[in-house]
Amino acid sequence: EAGVTQSPTHLIKTRGQQVTLRCSPISGHTSVYWYQQALGLGLQFLLWYDEGEERNRGNFPPRFSGRQFPNYSSELNVNALELEDSALYLCASSLMTGDSGGYTFGSGTRLTVV
Amino acid sequence: AQSVTQLGSHVSVSEGALVLLRCNYSSSVPPYLFWYVQYPNQGLQLLLKYTSAATLVKGINGFEAEFKKSETSFHLTKPSAHMSDAAEYFCAVSQGFQKLVFGTGTRLLVSP
Repeated sequence: EAGVTQSPTHLIKTRGQQVTLRCSPISGHTSVYWYQQALGLGLQFLLWYDEGEERNRGNFPPRFSGRQFPNYSSELNVNALELEDSALYLCASSLMTGDSGGYTFGSGTRLTVV
Repeated sequence: AQSVTQLGSHVSVSEGALVLLRCNYSSSVPPYLFWYVQYPNQGLQLLLKYTSAATLVKGINGFEAEFKKSETSFHLTKPSAHMSDAAEYFCAVSQGFQKLVFGTGTRLLVSP
């Protein structure tokens, strides 16, 4: 069974540009979560999608947005990139909202903003 | 709202020594609790989870954790550290129909 896949694995962007990160959940998983892991800041919750709807949003500015498609894959978009957006962006999926089994994480997209 | 506190951002042990990583949780209802491990430049891997069954939970790679309601703790242990255990470990809590909330992580350093 394929795990959670994220693309691209690495990305370098210039300040002010826009970026789109992609995530494919495990087959059958309907919930997708995005986390930002910046150096020294731990895992910061970004967004949670379930059945195509945004369920919850972390404390991030509106230039962070995303969506979930009918096949449950998801995109994270970041506009007007800033240097502090440099981080590892992790996507995770779970079987359903509130699944007690926990999340399965992808390997992440390393974004560097210069 | 639920939260977890991981005591110690770094823990150093010698190879073969006991590993103890501390996690205390705050939750208004019986929680689900998790430990994840992250190796350099990788995503998070689930080590073990507590979902209100047995209070002593065994996970992968010889790790285990004990849920202690009276102490609101879910500490992670391993009897004998191996060099390959060097990684960052995250404790997380969920209250059912809520997102996982992670602790700030503990970096485990293992010396020969």
